[in-house]
Amino acid sequence: GAVVSQHPSRVICKSGTSVKIECRSLDFQATTMFWYRQFPKQSLMLMATSNEGSKATYEQGVEKDKFLINHASLTLSTLTVTSAHPEDSSFYICSARRAGGLETQYFGPGTRLLVL
Amino acid sequence: AQKVTQAQTEISVVEKEDVTLDCVYETRDTTYYLFWYKQPPSGELVFLIRRNSFDEQNEISGRYSWNFQKSTSSFNFTITASQVVDSAVYFCALSGGGRYNQGGKLIFGQGTELSVKP
Repeated sequence: GAVVSQHPSRVICKSGTSVKIECRSLDFQATTMFWYRQFPKQSLMLMATSNEGSKATYEQGVEKDKFLINHASLTLSTLTVTSAHPEDSSFYICSARRAGGLETQYFGPGTRLLVL
Repeated sequence: AQKVTQAQTEISVVEKEDVTLDCVYETRDTTYYLFWYKQPPSGELVFLIRRNSFDEQNEISGRYSWNFQKSTSSFNFTITASQVVDSAVYFCALSGGGRYNQGGKLIFGQGTELSVKP
């Protein structure tokens, strides 16, 4: 199989705090992981592409200093939302692509972030 | 530019009906991949199928079937004898490794919300 986990599944935090979300590929190595954000009733919006051992590539309009991404190993990528504000409340989903695989992305279960 | 269009925003059917979800794509890549994902209310995206641009064979998996036609740039998805558990949002997506889509990014359609009523 190709299982991707995310932790936490749900988080509520106060405005101004930082939140870290972990994405792990459990049964395969992933040289590339992707981070998406999804607002209610909308499609997934790619935020950044995370490559193991190198800096993430951010999509246009995504603040790299606000959404810190670290991909320290072939099975783990983290997204830190720094100084979160209510408008950052969303559903964050990661995906992972197998090392050497050019195609299929396998998605994690997502993290629901609510910033009060 | 690469683009995926799912013109049907919402579809509602009664259990046991057949339903087809439409997907039309645009790309200038000669090599590309098409996908369907299912997103149930829990939120997790479930991979259903991947099809590469060189393989136009239709595929059937149980009650699911896919019709890929390059001539019309379409990759439609049919559920036969729909069930309540099929209720979800379905996304069609496009990925290419060519010059027009570096890094194999997934381009998603807007999704079709399927509601299957008992």
